[in-house]
Amino acid sequence: KNEVEQSPQNLTAQEGEFITINCSYSVGISALHWLQQHPGGGIVSLFMLSSGKKKHGRLIATINIQEKHSSLHITASHPRDSAVYICAVDTGTASKLTFGTGTRLQVTL
Amino acid sequence: DSGVTQTPKHLITATGQRVTLRCSPRSGDLSVYWYQQSLDQGLQFLIQYYNGEERAKGNILERFSAQQFPDLHSELNLSSLELGDSALYFCASRGTADTQYFGPGTRLTVL
Repeated sequence: KNEVEQSPQNLTAQEGEFITINCSYSVGISALHWLQQHPGGGIVSLFMLSSGKKKHGRLIATINIQEKHSSLHITASHPRDSAVYICAVDTGTASKLTFGTGTRLQVTL
Repeated sequence: DSGVTQTPKHLITATGQRVTLRCSPRSGDLSVYWYQQSLDQGLQFLIQYYNGEERAKGNILERFSAQQFPDLHSELNLSSLELGDSALYFCASRGTADTQYFGPGTRLTVL
């Protein structure tokens, strides 16, 4: 079993829909990261969380340390949100990241 | 633009060859991480350097090596290349905060 599991693997939504991507992990962590990978391959860091909730524009990330679970929400989704969203955990050892397999999101008009 | 640069963007080579991938971190960042993204394994941590010294090793093959130079740029050397080494190779840099900033990646194709 992978240390970091994401669901769903693939997600198709219509523009304007509320989207939730889930991440569960099985190891102790110092922080959890949400990353976005565009079709061209570039990776952008969206959030780094160690507790609670963070919001940036239409994106919201939450984490429950006790349940070892995090969610990434996208409100009012738009076709430009189409990308792969990757959850990664920092176990505190040199801050190296362990990655989930990603959720491929496609938002259609 | 993350401020992290990687060269080259694309590299096509043959099995058995050796290549060098280069990464320049964001100005002032001392930590450099190398990651490999392949179709079958996803993103994996390879190795980390901090201010010129190796700090952590992940799933890095013995055929691969890296170093960080006094000007803080880093190079990842891949030798005796195999078809399975074809992947995207990312470097990321980290400053005093814990956010990692990823470079655009080098796409390596081994034929």
